[in-house]
Amino acid sequence: GAVVSQHPSWVICKSGTSVKIECRSLDFQATTMFWYRQFPKQSLMLMATSNEGSKATYEQGVEKDKFLINHASLTLSTLTVTSAHPEDSSFYICSAKGGGGEPTGELFFGEGSRLTVL
Amino acid sequence: SQKIEQNSEALNIQEGKTATLTCNYTNYSPAYLQWYRQDPGRGPVFLLLIRENEKEKRKERLKVTFDTTLKQSLFHITASQPADSATYLCALDSTGGFKTIFGAGTRLFVKA
Repeated sequence: GAVVSQHPSWVICKSGTSVKIECRSLDFQATTMFWYRQFPKQSLMLMATSNEGSKATYEQGVEKDKFLINHASLTLSTLTVTSAHPEDSSFYICSAKGGGGEPTGELFFGEGSRLTVL
Repeated sequence: SQKIEQNSEALNIQEGKTATLTCNYTNYSPAYLQWYRQDPGRGPVFLLLIRENEKEKRKERLKVTFDTTLKQSLFHITASQPADSATYLCALDSTGGFKTIFGAGTRLFVKA
């Protein structure tokens, strides 16, 4: 199956700093990737859809200036949490639809990145 | 508003029994429904996808049903094992089919 790799798996930072999380599709090209956020014992919340070569599409209530998304190549999308605050502490997970470009179908997820802001 | 509901209470069963998890949805007309497994601190892993014109789908010890009239899917694990202990997430495609929306998941514990 398609493999998605996410890095770092965990990060601790000071309040006010920025943190970048990388998401790579290892064995397929992903024109679209999805970024989710998950709080303990809660559902995955879709934050934004990352489109290769164009601007990301953000879900309602997600600050685009706070969560910068860049999808510069067919295998890499990055999420930068800018000026992080303790309330940004969460589990961030990226995903992509399998290679093939169809608009439906299963998602392949990265391992997730645990962000803790002190 | 669109809503996906899964039993928030954990399900505890004995090894060897069949586990049945429920997913109900409202204000949706999904073209397909998916089930994922998530272990603590890890990303979800895809298990099964069932389309609106399919009543049932099987994969090894897993079985999924999809009733578009009741707006409900049932997820069964037969001959359950302690290794099946995890959180199981139900997911639907949004209107237009481009985005995937998840339920909160049901935690399953299988006791040896």
